[in-house]
Amino acid sequence: DGGITQSPKYLFRKEGQNVTLSCEQNLNHDAMYWYRQDPGQGLRLIYYSQIVNDFQKGDIAEGYSVSREKKESFPLTVTSAQKNPTAFYLCASSFLHREAGEQFFGPGTRLTVL
Amino acid sequence: KQEVTQIPAALSVPEGENLVLNCSFTDSAIYNLQWFRQDPGKGLTSLLLIQSSQREQTSGRLNASLDKSSGRSTLYIAASQPGDSATYLCAVKVRTGAGSYQLTFGKGTKLSVIP
Repeated sequence: DGGITQSPKYLFRKEGQNVTLSCEQNLNHDAMYWYRQDPGQGLRLIYYSQIVNDFQKGDIAEGYSVSREKKESFPLTVTSAQKNPTAFYLCASSFLHREAGEQFFGPGTRLTVL
Repeated sequence: KQEVTQIPAALSVPEGENLVLNCSFTDSAIYNLQWFRQDPGKGLTSLLLIQSSQREQTSGRLNASLDKSSGRSTLYIAASQPGDSATYLCAVKVRTGAGSYQLTFGKGTKLSVIP
């Protein structure tokens, strides 16, 4: 089955802890993305990567970090510097075609700070 | 900065009705527009992608149109069914730097189809 997997589905974090969200894709896509979704708001881009070992900040990168050591994997770390991390996190991927390049999404991880 | 607006925020229709969802964007310099569906607590499912040079795309009971010059897109759903109940989001692809592109999303329209 081709697709995007995210784990875990639910994640609970204590104040001051760093946590890492996993995202894996087997679609051979070049680009991968992390979004945050809050109630009543549209999706906001955290980080994206178009090639292995390279990534760029999105609109709300503060308090987050990423790595792209393999084409298939793009983990997101939510650090203790992120003041309001409770949200639904979505990973996506696409080919790099400028006009085509349809984005596909994973099932999401819901992070709750205790 | 690109802004995407979806009106109405929520819509309730009886089963079998044809309906139109609206999406508007402020900057016509887009590369494509994508419509997504999101069920509660789930990820986004891509429905249709319209490239900037195209006027419309169709998939089954769905038809999406794009008018770049006026900054508008519509998603037409024919013969609506209760299973169509979900939140529908549109997103436009814009250039953010040399060789870099990203999607800007609207907040979505929550559709309820009443049996």
